[in-house]
Amino acid sequence: QAQLVESGGGVVQSGGSLRLSCAASGFTFNSYGMHWVRQAPGKGLEWVAVISFDGNTKYFEDSLKGRFTISRDNSKNTLYLQMNSLRAEDTAVYHCAKGRVGYCSNVSCFADVALDYWGQGTLVTVSS
Amino acid sequence: SYALTQPPSRSVSPGQTAIITCSGDDLGDKYVCWYQQKPGRPPVLVIHQDRKRPSGIPERFSGANSGNTATLTISGTQAMDEADYYCQAWDSNSAHVVFGGGTKLTVL
Repeated sequence: QAQLVESGGGVVQSGGSLRLSCAASGFTFNSYGMHWVRQAPGKGLEWVAVISFDGNTKYFEDSLKGRFTISRDNSKNTLYLQMNSLRAEDTAVYHCAKGRVGYCSNVSCFADVALDYWGQGTLVTVSS
Repeated sequence: SYALTQPPSRSVSPGQTAIITCSGDDLGDKYVCWYQQKPGRPPVLVIHQDRKRPSGIPERFSGANSGNTATLTISGTQAMDEADYYCQAWDSNSAHVVFGGGTKLTVL
């Protein structure tokens, strides 16, 4: 059974930085694309970014490009989200999630982009 | 940018059928999946590829997708099905995952 455990959240001042981690187990991590999805308090799901199984392809929500970076270390079965220049509106629970289909690295493959396992999430609070 | 629209809320009596819609331009040309989220919990995938149920999801959950509308149907709704439901698709033009705004299903 796949397990995803996020860490690295906390309270940070506006303009600050945080790096989130997601430790994966129970599946072949280096075969699957991985996503970050966030949820502001009382709000809906908002997709943040995806990284392909091999780390060579990355896509971001437009409003976050340039401030957020997604990366992975397949030798450590770990996904990362580097968040810079944080704003109050970035306050949310950040979930990592596993793509259901393996070996996706192009736009057409991501068309079947269901997320079949999710972590519990880590709360990021940006204070102004 | 591509958008998916869901009704904010739906209510259903126990044992009845709940239908939740998700609308988007030419949505029938895309794969749609659905998630169930209960308070304080991460989302759970209940339907993928428009109509397929992951292992462990009850048969009362079904999906369809055609034209501009996808639907999640819960037959014989139970109290445990009360939750928020989100549809999701991939927009190949922007290379983005898109979520609907979510529908709060109340079983009363």
